[in-house]
Amino acid sequence: DAGITQSPRYKITETGRQVTLMCHQTWSHSYMFWYRQDLGHGLRLIYYSAAADITDKGEVPDGYVVSRSKTENFPLTLESATRSQTSVYFCASSEPARGDTEAFFGQGTRLTVV
Amino acid sequence: AQKVTQAQTEISVVEKEDVTLDCVYETRDTTYYLFWYKQPPSGELVFLIRRNSFDEQNEISGRYSWNFQKSTSSFNFTITASQVVDSAVYFCALSDVWDSGAGSYQLTFGKGTKLSVIP
Repeated sequence: DAGITQSPRYKITETGRQVTLMCHQTWSHSYMFWYRQDLGHGLRLIYYSAAADITDKGEVPDGYVVSRSKTENFPLTLESATRSQTSVYFCASSEPARGDTEAFFGQGTRLTVV
Repeated sequence: AQKVTQAQTEISVVEKEDVTLDCVYETRDTTYYLFWYKQPPSGELVFLIRRNSFDEQNEISGRYSWNFQKSTSSFNFTITASQVVDSAVYFCALSDVWDSGAGSYQLTFGKGTKLSVIP
């Protein structure tokens, strides 16, 4: 199906483990984003990418790594998960060059670090 | 730095009442975009509307209307004749666009307003 999909939808992991959240979009959007949503903080940007092989930090990048070898994929890796990284993670994409400055979001991944 | 403030944390209305959600923003950019998103209880984020900084024309779409006022840095959202299905968290967001037309296009979100429509 066309759109933006995240996997897994739910994940429980232990402190110290590495975990990767996947994001795939079929629109060929150039921009992709990772946000985390926490009570009291709203949505905060972790990393974004303007194109394949171009990534940059957002507001809360510490403890996260991203890569973008292909336009359609933008995985987010927690190198050594901590309890403070328990959150709902949203991937999004947009294509400003076509006038689509609004971001379209995936369904979210609920990550629990125990 | 950009900032979006949604002063109303939670609002409850009775079905069929009108309700306005407030949004105030701060930015030094002369060109920017404003958005409203809806997050129903199922958790997904649904795009509702986009406005650019040069377009202050207010818009009505069905029961929804938006009031953008650059002079007061506000972008308010009104639901007319609210329905139970409108119950959700609504987010106002701001996106940067540099004068060159480039920019990160990252969204700065307000903390959201939880709307409960009571039957």
